[in-house]
Amino acid sequence: DGGITQSPKYLFRKEGQNVTLSCEQNLNHDAMYWYRQDPGQGLRLIYYSQIVNDFQKGDIAEGYSVSREKKESFPLTVTSAQKNPTAFYLCASSKSRRTYEQYFGPGTRLTVT
Amino acid sequence: GNSVTQMEGPVTLSEEAFLTINCTYTATGYPSLFWYVQYPGEGLQLLLKATKADDKGSNKGFEATYRKETTSFHLEKGSVQVSDSAVYFCALSDRDSSYKLIFGSGTRLLVRP
Repeated sequence: DGGITQSPKYLFRKEGQNVTLSCEQNLNHDAMYWYRQDPGQGLRLIYYSQIVNDFQKGDIAEGYSVSREKKESFPLTVTSAQKNPTAFYLCASSKSRRTYEQYFGPGTRLTVT
Repeated sequence: GNSVTQMEGPVTLSEEAFLTINCTYTATGYPSLFWYVQYPGEGLQLLLKATKADDKGSNKGFEATYRKETTSFHLEKGSVQVSDSAVYFCALSDRDSSYKLIFGSGTRLLVRP
């Protein structure tokens, strides 16, 4: 059964701690994306990766970091430098950079107190 | 730059009512247009898409027609069900936006029995 998995579904952290959100896909997609969603708002792009060992900043990359060491994995680290980290984080993938359709994972809700 | 504007919600309807959610876009090129749906606590699912002018996307009773002359992609359904209650996002992607998805702010639909 192909798809995108994100874990955990809910994550709680204390302020000042870094936290890493997992995203794995078995769709054999080249491109992967991280979005942030705040209540009542649309999605904002954090980082994206078109190919292994390459990634680019999106619109709101400050306070976040990513890696793409394997095609199927694209973890996102929310660092202590991110001023408002509490949000719903969504990972997505597409067949290639030039493919318009993106497929989304179920999301991770991060709460930082 | 490219952008998407959706009607503000929430939209509240009775079961079997007709649904329209307005979406207009601004783009310098020839974008592909999408509607995504998000059920409570979940990720986004692609509902339908259209890749060129006058194309009609359809799925699960929902339809949207790509209107280049009015730069619109309004979502319609003839008879909504309680299970259609969700947040609906209009989005575009094209070469000028580096194939990144640009989302509207979302419209919450609540269908009452």
